[in-house]
Amino acid sequence: KQEVTQIPAALSVPEGENLVLNCSFTDSAIYNLQWFRQDPGKGLTSLLLIQSSQREQTSGRLNASLDKSSGRSTLYIAASQPGDSATYLCAVRHKGGSRLTFGEGTQLTVNP
Amino acid sequence: DAGVIQSPRHEVTEMGQEVTLRCKPISGHNSLFWYRQTMMRGLELLIYFNNNVPIDDSGMPEDRFSAKMPNASFSTLKIQPSEPRDSAVYFCASSLGDRASFGQGTRLTVV
Repeated sequence: KQEVTQIPAALSVPEGENLVLNCSFTDSAIYNLQWFRQDPGKGLTSLLLIQSSQREQTSGRLNASLDKSSGRSTLYIAASQPGDSATYLCAVRHKGGSRLTFGEGTQLTVNP
Repeated sequence: DAGVIQSPRHEVTEMGQEVTLRCKPISGHNSLFWYRQTMMRGLELLIYFNNNVPIDDSGMPEDRFSAKMPNASFSTLKIQPSEPRDSAVYFCASSLGDRASFGQGTRLTVV
């Protein structure tokens, strides 16, 4: 059974810092990995999607990497802003299915 | 496109009552997912449909839960009878290909 773990559970940083969120998964037979953002009381917004054959994806100040063999992904946020404050979730999709298995999320607070 | 639309946004009901949650997926999407989110267990997949057919319902907690997708533009998740431990946020998501789009969720409170 796929298990997804995110570290840290919570993170508080001053504005402007670069930061890294970590995600690990136990079964490397994945189809892809996604990073989502969830604001309080809201749904999930997909930020980046990395196919199993890819090593990284970039969108603006966000960069996500994938090391499938070691079962790890990182989300790098450059020059953090208060508007980045949210919960960030990673989710893996297993080969042969559409099911997404989510981590428990990292709650990020960026202080002005 | 308005995105995935869920109703109601909030539901408060008494224990033992029937609860029906509704979802309208994005037009053209062929997969639909129901998730439940709680503080204790995070986001859990309850069931998903592909082309209106239930593919994996292994996450449905017990017989009190049922889901239907009578057509490509509508799905329901029903809980009968509801219990306090069913209190959670229930999300519907739809996809065509790799990316899933999530609705805003229904916050269910069973008292």
